[in-house]
Amino acid sequence: RKEVEQDPGPFNVPEGATVAFNCTYSNSASQSFFWYRQDCRKEPKLLMSVYSSGNEDGRFTAQLNRASQYISLLIRDSKLSDSATYLCVVNHPGGYNKLIFGAGTRLAVHP
Amino acid sequence: NAGVTQTPKFQVLKTGQSMTLQCAQDMNHNSMYWYRQDPGMGLRLIYYSASEGTTDKGEVPNGYNVSRLNKREFSLRLESAAPSQTSVYFCASGTGANTGELFFGEGSRLTVL
Repeated sequence: RKEVEQDPGPFNVPEGATVAFNCTYSNSASQSFFWYRQDCRKEPKLLMSVYSSGNEDGRFTAQLNRASQYISLLIRDSKLSDSATYLCVVNHPGGYNKLIFGAGTRLAVHP
Repeated sequence: NAGVTQTPKFQVLKTGQSMTLQCAQDMNHNSMYWYRQDPGMGLRLIYYSASEGTTDKGEVPNGYNVSRLNKREFSLRLESAAPSQTSVYFCASGTGANTGELFFGEGSRLTVL
């Protein structure tokens, strides 16, 4: 079983839509969680951290459910520029910023 | 500020050939990483270096060696390339603190025939 699992998509949504991505992780000892964004044929970049209490950054909201080992990312009012692959990332327990990446969920926002 | 620089950006090898991917960062980061990315597999950690002078295996180290030459540079070597090593390779660096933020190079596309 992969340590971090995501629905690969693609999610095809119109501009203005709200879309949610889910992610599960297998190691209950994992302590920190993140979402990265990767544009086509580009390098990944940190989008936001995920805190236990949930956190919001503009149109983006991240949630963590430790009991279910589940992470989510909600994007409201989707823009064309949101089209990308979203990577769920978990910090490996005991690892010094040793990040484990999910395979990613692809989002395509159309006019 | 160049950030993380990888070379070469593209390379085609024949099975059995060797090559070294070079990576350098100018952000004074302590930790450096090599990942490979394959379709449907996501990024998988090959090796990492938590600080200058140390290296550790990641999820998929077989067939690779690394050298942390100094604080700035972290190279990845394929001694005898195999078609299964066809992939996009990303080097990354981070402060070493548990921030979750890694800065990636633009990637190196390697094809092994």
